[in-house]
Amino acid sequence: DAKTTQPTSMDCAEGRAANLPCNHSTISGNEYVYWYRQIHSQGPQYIIHGLKNNETNEMASLIITEDRKSSTLILPHATLRDTAVYYCIVRSPRSNDYKLSFGAGTTVTVRA
Amino acid sequence: GAGVSQSPSNKVTEKGKDVELRCDPISGHTALYWYRQSLGQGLEFLIYFQGNSAPDKSGLPSDRFSAERTGGSVSTLTIQRTQQEDSAVYLCASSLMGGFPETQYFGPGTRLLVL
Repeated sequence: DAKTTQPTSMDCAEGRAANLPCNHSTISGNEYVYWYRQIHSQGPQYIIHGLKNNETNEMASLIITEDRKSSTLILPHATLRDTAVYYCIVRSPRSNDYKLSFGAGTTVTVRA
Repeated sequence: GAGVSQSPSNKVTEKGKDVELRCDPISGHTALYWYRQSLGQGLEFLIYFQGNSAPDKSGLPSDRFSAERTGGSVSTLTIQRTQQEDSAVYLCASSLMGGFPETQYFGPGTRLLVL
């Protein structure tokens, strides 16, 4: 699977949009971009995923560049409860690709 | 509805003792996964159950680790003769059918400390 690169940490002001970048320059044409997050002392939580088109759900928006080499997760109105480690991963549609693996992720701190 | 639950939430044990960790998946989910997360480390896959198929045990780190899933629902992860390096957060997840691109829903984890 393609490797992803994320900034180690970032701060965000409460109520503002948080834009989390992710590079995946070696992504293959059939690989998906997934985002999870992990709030302190909790299990990972699925946020959103996409292939080519931009996606939006009740939690966030995912913007994927046209060449698919990078993407941005947008939390439209960050709250203190959004403070967490955010993981960007690439998943391949192989039958055995159920083994999730996270890197270091981005530690996002939302400040009042 | 109820999410994935795990018990106990915390477990402290002495080196050499056996421990059992329990996972209750979301009702109706046929796929169940165990992972562990060590301090400062990423997510490590341990084992995967899907319906009545043979489980994928490829991630179990040694033969001291075993898991079972009774009645296609509750799962128990057993660690025999625990070692200090087994200290970690053990996470359970479930999904509806298993495989890609299903979303895996995680429980809160069991924090195991081996003294």
